[in-house]
Amino acid sequence: GESVGLHLPTLSVQEGDNSIINCAYSNSASDYFIWYKQESGKGPQFIIDIRSNMDKRQGQRVTVLLNKTVKHLSLQIAATQPGDSAVYFCAVAFSGGYNKLIFGAGTRLAVHP
Amino acid sequence: DGGITQSPKYLFRKEGQNVTLSCEQNLNHDAMYWYRQDPGQGLRLIYYSQIVNDFQKGDIAEGYSVSREKKESFPLTVTSAQKNPTAFYLCASSAGGGFEAFFGQGTRLTVV
Repeated sequence: GESVGLHLPTLSVQEGDNSIINCAYSNSASDYFIWYKQESGKGPQFIIDIRSNMDKRQGQRVTVLLNKTVKHLSLQIAATQPGDSAVYFCAVAFSGGYNKLIFGAGTRLAVHP
Repeated sequence: DGGITQSPKYLFRKEGQNVTLSCEQNLNHDAMYWYRQDPGQGLRLIYYSQIVNDFQKGDIAEGYSVSREKKESFPLTVTSAQKNPTAFYLCASSAGGGFEAFFGQGTRLTVV
């Protein structure tokens, strides 16, 4: 069946370091991938997305890498700041017919001064 | 401002009662979704709708019902058949498949 998983449930980093959050997915037909950030008690917020015809996409301080061969994507946050502390989810979409977003379990990022 | 609004923010339900959670969007999005989130867990899909008057069951639809009579509204009813309804419920909308979903701020439902 479809599943999306994360390698690490919690990631602790020092302020200023780079953070890497990983996500694995199971369905090779997946063609749209999104990273969300969720702060406590709030709804997830969009960070960055990537489509299957790309391997890399960069935003402000964030980069998403997609490796379709091993069905893996990662979110890299440069110069991590205390405000980056949150839970990060990857989400995978399957196009064709009814489209739905499948979310991974999430990784909690804790940034220490 | 365009956005997606969920109400109420907190909701208490007695056992055996049905309750309805509201979700409204003014983004002109075709697709709307309901997710359930338990503490320390990810988001699990309850129902989704790609167009008015049509909706599909997600992974955990049992004990829930929805309607999509208007494009901007996608209410979720938690019925008494849902054995463990205490959770954080999130509504989202998107322009369709292959587009980012925008989330509301959630409704925290507690059974008392």
